[in-house]
Amino acid sequence: DTGVSQNPRHKITKRGQNVTFRCDPISEHNRLYWYRQTLGQGPEFLTYFQNEAQLEKSRLLSDRFSAERPKGSFSTLEIQRTEQGDSAMYLCASSLTGITDTQYFGPGTRLTVL
Amino acid sequence: RKEVEQDPGPFNVPEGATVAFNCTYSNSASQSFFWYRQDCRKEPKLLMSVYSSGNEDGRFTAQLNRASQYISLLIRDSKLSDSATYLCVVHGSSNTGKLIFGQGTTLQVKP
Repeated sequence: DTGVSQNPRHKITKRGQNVTFRCDPISEHNRLYWYRQTLGQGPEFLTYFQNEAQLEKSRLLSDRFSAERPKGSFSTLEIQRTEQGDSAMYLCASSLTGITDTQYFGPGTRLTVL
Repeated sequence: RKEVEQDPGPFNVPEGATVAFNCTYSNSASQSFFWYRQDCRKEPKLLMSVYSSGNEDGRFTAQLNRASQYISLLIRDSKLSDSATYLCVVHGSSNTGKLIFGQGTTLQVKP
């Protein structure tokens, strides 16, 4: 099955450390999205790419957050100087632009900041 | 006001019951609408898209009322395996790729 994959699945870090997550989309998908989900809430949009271009960023994405998709394939999301409030599930999704543009989600990376 | 609002529940129903979830959205320019299902500690998965004409997939029926900015999901003959969180999702406008999720409605089907 070549669905969306994310690594690592779990990350525990201390406050102030930097962390980086990776997302590999479905191979033919040109759009890639990052969302964040906290307990009891629906996912919240962070940013998305079409090929290698970052087309939209949420106001939730503070200066400590940066995302890249250098070759239009996999993407990384880095959080610098992590804070306890960054603890959440980080979800990646991908889609193929077209009539439906359905987004398919990866299993997520669960971040815990101590 | 949240862009997409849902009653978080939980809805506790017996097997075989019919249950309905509702959702409202604030942006009248929204283009596409979906219901996603999310199991505990898993990723959201598309359950069905929602069209103005209404659509049905087995025991599941979705309806969209653009005038009232209201979306519904009806589940007939509930199964234990239907227990999950159901997320109402709106695709912004045509110039954005982002999905806007409601808080989710939790369904627990009991034997």
